[in-house]
Amino acid sequence: EAGVTQFPSHSVIEKGQTVTLRCDPISGHDNLYWYRRVMGKEIKFLLHFVKESKQDESGMPNNRFLAERTGGTYSTLKVQPAELEDSGVYFCASSQGQHYGYTFGSGTRLTVV
Amino acid sequence: QQQVKQSPQSLIVQKGGISIINCAYENTAFDYFPWYQQFPGKGPALLIAIRPDVSEKKEGRFTISFNKSAKQFSLHIMDSQPGDSATYFCAASMGGAQKLVFGQGTRLTINP
Repeated sequence: EAGVTQFPSHSVIEKGQTVTLRCDPISGHDNLYWYRRVMGKEIKFLLHFVKESKQDESGMPNNRFLAERTGGTYSTLKVQPAELEDSGVYFCASSQGQHYGYTFGSGTRLTVV
Repeated sequence: QQQVKQSPQSLIVQKGGISIINCAYENTAFDYFPWYQQFPGKGPALLIAIRPDVSEKKEGRFTISFNKSAKQFSLHIMDSQPGDSATYFCAASMGGAQKLVFGQGTRLTINP
């Protein structure tokens, strides 16, 4: 079974630019989550999709972040315009249902300079 | 406000020793407490999880101890091995494995 795939694995962009992160969940997993870890701090929840619908987006930091999940398959997270404080590792995870554990991707390390 | 506090931030243990990582939570509505293990360049991987109706769960060398009254839970790694060197995260959630609240992580190093 293929795991959760994220790309790019690394991205370095200048402040003010736009970056789009992509996540391909495990096939058949309706639940998709985005998390972020800023250097040395805890991993923080950003949002949760069930199929193509946003179930919970309470962790999205501000309106510079836009998440979509086309047709309930892959998801993208766009940051526009990027700020220095957006630097961190962005993780995507998927699960079959709410009573199952997550499978995380390897993350995208975003550096805003 | 950090809802799950994890300690220590870093831990060095000799091979064969016991590694202990502690977490404390505030929200009594949490009903699922997983531990994740993360190796460099990889995402966190579910290691073991417990629900509050049991006080201990063991899987191989890994044990979760849970104290509901104290709102604390801990991970014990018996006979620690160099291959256990990784970052460990505790987490908590309500209503199953939905939105997880993570601790800050513990970087564990097992010296050979």
